[in-house]
Amino acid sequence: DTAVSQTPKYLVTQMGNDKSIKCEQNLGHDTMYWYKQDSKKFLKIMFSYNNKELIINETVPNRFSPKSPDKAHLNLHINSLELGDSAVYFCASSRSGGAGSNEQFFGPGTRLTVL
Amino acid sequence: QQQVKQSPQSLIVQKGGISIINCAYENTAFDYFPWYQQFPGKGPALLIAIRPDVSEKKEGRFTISFNKSAKQFSLHIMDSQPGDSATYFCAASGGFNDYKLSFGAGTTVTVRA
Repeated sequence: DTAVSQTPKYLVTQMGNDKSIKCEQNLGHDTMYWYKQDSKKFLKIMFSYNNKELIINETVPNRFSPKSPDKAHLNLHINSLELGDSAVYFCASSRSGGAGSNEQFFGPGTRLTVL
Repeated sequence: QQQVKQSPQSLIVQKGGISIINCAYENTAFDYFPWYQQFPGKGPALLIAIRPDVSEKKEGRFTISFNKSAKQFSLHIMDSQPGDSATYFCAASGGFNDYKLSFGAGTTVTVRA
Protein backbone atom coordinates (compact mmCIF):
# COMPACT_ATOMS: atom_id res chain seq x y z
CA ASP A 1 0.00 0.00 0.00
CA THR A 2 1.33 3.40 -0.97
CA ALA A 3 1.34 5.75 2.01
CA VAL A 4 1.81 9.07 0.19
CA SER A 5 1.19 9.06 -3.54
CA GLN A 6 1.67 11.77 -6.12
CA THR A 7 0.55 12.11 -9.72
CA PRO A 8 2.02 12.51 -12.18
CA LYS A 9 5.53 11.21 -11.53
CA TYR A 10 6.91 13.16 -14.48
CA LEU A 11 5.59 16.37 -15.99
CA VAL A 12 7.10 18.03 -19.05
CA THR A 13 5.49 21.23 -20.24
CA GLN A 14 6.09 24.50 -22.03
CA MET A 15 6.69 27.87 -20.43
CA GLY A 16 3.51 29.76 -19.75
CA ASN A 17 1.33 26.68 -19.29
CA ASP A 18 -0.71 25.90 -16.18
CA LYS A 19 -0.32 22.51 -14.50
CA SER A 20 -1.43 20.66 -11.38
CA ILE A 21 0.17 18.01 -9.21
CA LYS A 22 -2.00 15.83 -7.01
CA CYS A 23 -1.14 14.25 -3.67
CA GLU A 24 -3.00 11.74 -1.56
CA GLN A 25 -2.11 10.08 1.73
CA ASN A 26 -3.77 7.05 3.28
CA LEU A 27 -2.03 7.30 6.66
CA GLY A 28 -4.84 9.12 8.44
CA HIS A 29 -2.61 12.16 8.94
CA ASP A 30 -4.10 15.64 9.17
CA THR A 31 -1.06 17.70 8.19
CA MET A 32 0.29 17.79 4.65
CA TYR A 33 3.18 19.63 3.02
CA TRP A 34 4.63 20.60 -0.34
CA TYR A 35 8.39 20.79 -0.77
CA LYS A 36 10.52 21.84 -3.72
CA GLN A 37 13.85 20.11 -4.34
CA ASP A 38 16.10 21.94 -6.75
CA SER A 39 18.86 20.57 -8.97
CA LYS A 40 21.32 20.81 -6.08
CA LYS A 41 18.99 18.62 -3.98
CA PHE A 42 18.14 21.44 -1.59
CA LEU A 43 14.75 20.79 0.06
CA LYS A 44 12.59 23.82 0.73
CA ILE A 45 9.16 23.90 2.35
CA MET A 46 6.55 25.69 0.28
CA PHE A 47 3.20 25.13 1.99
CA SER A 48 1.59 23.17 4.77
CA TYR A 49 -2.03 22.44 5.59
CA ASN A 50 -3.38 21.19 8.90
CA ASN A 51 -6.98 19.97 8.81
CA LYS A 52 -7.46 21.78 5.50
CA GLU A 53 -6.18 25.06 6.98
CA LEU A 54 -3.08 26.73 5.54
CA ILE A 55 -0.45 26.95 8.30
CA ILE A 56 2.78 27.46 6.39
CA ASN A 57 3.07 29.70 3.37
CA GLU A 58 6.69 30.38 2.58
CA THR A 59 7.92 33.04 0.19
CA VAL A 60 6.59 31.40 -2.93
CA PRO A 61 5.37 33.22 -6.09
CA ASN A 62 1.60 33.56 -6.08
CA ARG A 63 1.59 31.54 -9.30
CA PHE A 64 1.69 28.56 -6.93
CA SER A 65 -1.62 27.79 -5.25
CA PRO A 66 -2.21 24.82 -2.97
CA LYS A 67 -5.66 23.37 -2.48
CA SER A 68 -6.76 20.89 0.15
CA PRO A 69 -10.20 19.45 -0.61
CA ASP A 70 -9.97 17.19 2.44
CA LYS A 71 -7.41 16.01 4.99
CA ALA A 72 -6.17 13.21 2.74
CA HIS A 73 -5.48 15.34 -0.32
CA LEU A 74 -3.29 18.33 -1.07
CA ASN A 75 -2.94 19.52 -4.64
CA LEU A 76 -0.56 22.06 -6.09
CA HIS A 77 -1.57 24.24 -9.04
CA ILE A 78 1.04 26.26 -10.87
CA ASN A 79 0.09 29.05 -13.27
CA SER A 80 2.24 30.55 -16.01
CA LEU A 81 5.09 28.08 -15.59
CA GLU A 82 8.64 29.45 -15.81
CA LEU A 83 11.97 27.75 -16.51
CA GLY A 84 12.96 28.23 -12.86
CA ASP A 85 10.03 26.12 -11.74
CA SER A 86 11.79 23.02 -13.01
CA ALA A 87 12.44 20.87 -9.95
CA VAL A 88 11.21 17.83 -8.09
CA TYR A 89 8.15 18.55 -5.97
CA PHE A 90 7.51 16.38 -2.93
CA CYS A 91 4.34 16.01 -0.99
CA ALA A 92 4.59 14.88 2.65
CA SER A 93 2.28 14.22 5.54
CA SER A 94 2.47 13.91 9.32
CA ARG A 95 0.23 13.62 12.35
CA SER A 96 -0.75 16.81 14.14
CA GLY A 97 1.69 18.17 16.66
CA GLY A 98 4.04 19.69 14.13
CA ALA A 99 7.41 18.65 12.83
CA GLY A 100 8.81 18.68 16.32
CA SER A 101 6.99 15.57 17.38
CA ASN A 102 5.94 13.71 14.30
CA GLU A 103 7.72 12.05 11.45
CA GLN A 104 7.04 13.42 8.01
CA PHE A 105 6.32 10.82 5.35
CA PHE A 106 7.30 11.85 1.85
CA GLY A 107 5.79 10.87 -1.46
CA PRO A 108 7.88 9.66 -4.41
CA GLY A 109 8.08 13.12 -5.96
CA THR A 110 6.98 14.73 -9.22
CA ARG A 111 9.76 15.79 -11.58
CA LEU A 112 8.61 18.94 -13.35
CA THR A 113 10.52 20.06 -16.44
CA VAL A 114 9.62 23.37 -18.02
CA LEU A 115 10.86 23.83 -21.59
CA GLN B 1 18.71 32.05 4.72
CA GLN B 2 19.67 28.51 5.57
CA GLN B 3 19.03 27.79 9.24
CA VAL B 4 20.89 24.49 9.29
CA LYS B 5 24.38 24.24 7.79
CA GLN B 6 25.51 20.78 6.69
CA SER B 7 28.92 19.47 5.65
CA PRO B 8 30.50 17.92 3.71
CA GLN B 9 28.57 18.23 0.46
CA SER B 10 29.72 14.76 -0.52
CA LEU B 11 31.92 11.99 0.76
CA ILE B 12 33.28 8.68 -0.43
CA VAL B 13 34.00 5.89 2.01
CA GLN B 14 35.20 2.34 1.63
CA LYS B 15 32.94 -0.52 2.62
CA GLY B 16 33.28 -1.10 6.33
CA GLY B 17 34.43 2.45 7.00
CA ILE B 18 32.81 5.20 9.02
CA SER B 19 30.85 8.05 7.40
CA ILE B 20 30.51 11.25 9.39
CA ILE B 21 28.21 14.13 8.47
CA ASN B 22 28.08 17.33 10.50
CA CYS B 23 25.35 19.92 10.99
CA ALA B 24 25.22 23.21 12.84
CA TYR B 25 22.32 25.49 13.73
CA GLU B 26 21.81 28.92 15.25
CA ASN B 27 18.20 28.92 16.41
CA THR B 28 18.21 27.92 20.09
CA ALA B 29 14.47 27.29 19.89
CA PHE B 30 15.08 24.17 17.81
CA ASP B 31 14.25 21.08 19.84
CA TYR B 32 13.93 18.26 17.31
CA PHE B 33 16.72 17.09 15.04
CA PRO B 34 15.90 14.37 12.51
CA TRP B 35 18.05 12.87 9.80
CA TYR B 36 16.46 11.87 6.51
CA GLN B 37 17.87 9.43 3.94
CA GLN B 38 17.05 9.81 0.25
CA PHE B 39 17.83 7.30 -2.47
CA PRO B 40 17.91 8.41 -6.13
CA GLY B 41 14.43 8.80 -7.55
CA LYS B 42 12.76 8.42 -4.15
CA GLY B 43 11.40 10.72 -1.50
CA PRO B 44 13.32 11.34 1.74
CA ALA B 45 12.60 8.96 4.60
CA LEU B 46 13.23 9.43 8.30
CA LEU B 47 16.37 7.60 9.41
CA ILE B 48 16.86 8.62 13.03
CA ALA B 49 16.00 11.62 15.20
CA ILE B 50 17.15 13.13 18.50
CA ARG B 51 15.96 15.68 21.03
CA PRO B 52 18.39 17.93 22.93
CA ASP B 53 17.86 16.20 26.26
CA VAL B 54 20.23 13.40 25.20
CA SER B 55 23.73 13.65 23.76
CA GLU B 56 23.67 10.49 21.69
CA LYS B 57 21.18 8.16 20.05
CA LYS B 58 22.03 4.92 18.32
CA GLU B 59 19.92 2.80 16.00
CA GLY B 60 21.80 -0.10 14.49
CA ARG B 61 24.79 1.24 12.58
CA PHE B 62 23.52 4.83 12.70
CA THR B 63 24.34 7.17 15.58
CA ILE B 64 23.45 10.80 16.19
CA SER B 65 25.79 12.79 18.42
CA PHE B 66 24.39 16.04 19.77
CA ASN B 67 26.29 18.94 21.33
CA LYS B 68 23.81 21.47 22.66
CA SER B 69 26.37 24.04 23.82
CA ALA B 70 28.08 24.06 20.43
CA LYS B 71 24.74 23.89 18.58
CA GLN B 72 26.04 21.04 16.49
CA PHE B 73 24.92 17.51 15.74
CA SER B 74 26.33 14.78 13.57
CA LEU B 75 25.44 11.47 11.98
CA HIS B 76 27.86 8.58 12.14
CA ILE B 77 27.36 5.58 9.87
CA MET B 78 29.41 2.68 11.19
CA ASP B 79 30.52 -0.25 9.04
CA SER B 80 29.28 1.59 5.92
CA GLN B 81 27.73 -0.64 3.25
CA PRO B 82 27.13 -0.04 -0.47
CA GLY B 83 23.40 0.02 0.30
CA ASP B 84 24.00 3.10 2.45
CA SER B 85 24.90 5.09 -0.66
CA ALA B 86 22.33 7.88 -0.62
CA THR B 87 21.87 11.56 0.16
CA TYR B 88 21.51 12.38 3.84
CA PHE B 89 19.76 15.47 5.13
CA CYS B 90 19.87 16.84 8.63
CA ALA B 91 16.95 18.97 9.73
CA ALA B 92 15.69 20.90 12.72
CA SER B 93 12.43 22.27 14.02
CA GLY B 94 10.85 23.62 17.15
CA GLY B 95 9.82 26.84 18.72
CA PHE B 96 7.01 29.00 17.48
CA ASN B 97 6.33 27.35 14.13
CA ASP B 98 6.67 23.73 15.07
CA TYR B 99 5.35 22.39 11.78
CA LYS B 100 8.30 23.63 9.77
CA LEU B 101 11.36 21.45 9.19
CA SER B 102 14.47 23.38 8.18
CA PHE B 103 16.71 21.10 6.13
CA GLY B 104 20.45 21.16 5.64
CA ALA B 105 21.80 21.17 2.09
CA GLY B 106 22.36 17.42 2.02
CA THR B 107 25.40 15.14 1.85
CA THR B 108 25.79 12.57 -0.89
CA VAL B 109 27.47 9.47 0.52
CA THR B 110 29.06 6.93 -1.79
CA VAL B 111 30.21 3.65 -0.29
CA ARG B 112 32.76 1.83 -2.47
CA ALA B 113 32.79 -1.94 -2.32
